[in-house]
Amino acid sequence: DAGVIQSPRHEVTEMGQEVTLRCKPISGHDYLFWYRQTMMRGLELLIYFNNNVPIDDSGMPEDRFSAKMPNASFSTLKIQPSEPRDSAVYFCASSPQGGRGYTFGSGTRLTVV
Amino acid sequence: AQTVTQSQPEMSVQEAETVTLSCTYDTSENNYYLFWYKQPPSRQMILVIRQEAYKQQNATENRFSVNFQKAAKSFSLKISDSQLGDTAMYFCAFMKPHANTGTASKLTFGTGTRLQVTL
Repeated sequence: DAGVIQSPRHEVTEMGQEVTLRCKPISGHDYLFWYRQTMMRGLELLIYFNNNVPIDDSGMPEDRFSAKMPNASFSTLKIQPSEPRDSAVYFCASSPQGGRGYTFGSGTRLTVV
Repeated sequence: AQTVTQSQPEMSVQEAETVTLSCTYDTSENNYYLFWYKQPPSRQMILVIRQEAYKQQNATENRFSVNFQKAAKSFSLKISDSQLGDTAMYFCAFMKPHANTGTASKLTFGTGTRLQVTL
């Protein structure tokens, strides 16, 4: 089991550019979560999916953010256009049914200059 | 909404000693899960231990154990025989099962405690 795989590990982009973060969950996990970590706000949930269907996207900051899960093995988080305040570490995590806890990916450090 | 409070921003412990990290939470729910996650400098989030609220017995995982006090809404983490590799940020987290399905839902995290293990 390779765990949750995120790419890229680091991303530096200019303000106004489109950014796409990618995630491959653990096979068999029904849930996928996108979190953002900053010094000011800590870890905050952006959106989560159950069986590829978005369940709660109330944490998505604004329309510039969108997330998709076209199949059970892949999800993307897109920011368009990016702004400097989007700079953060973005984590993807997956979970089986129940309250066993998430397995996190290694995160993507996004820097928008 | 649930909140999780970690009142110790930083702690230090000598190698081989025991340290306890504090966590309190606020909820009106009776059924929920609690977790401790570790984030070393590599930034990987690693699940350390979990507790189901309906279980009175405190969870234990090797050198890691919890003191779960449901009435007091307290969930502290004890690390015994501390090792240099335990140096990390530790996050306490709360999960309320999904209202309709009783299954996984969002984790609400505390602000973290930075633990430094010294020689």
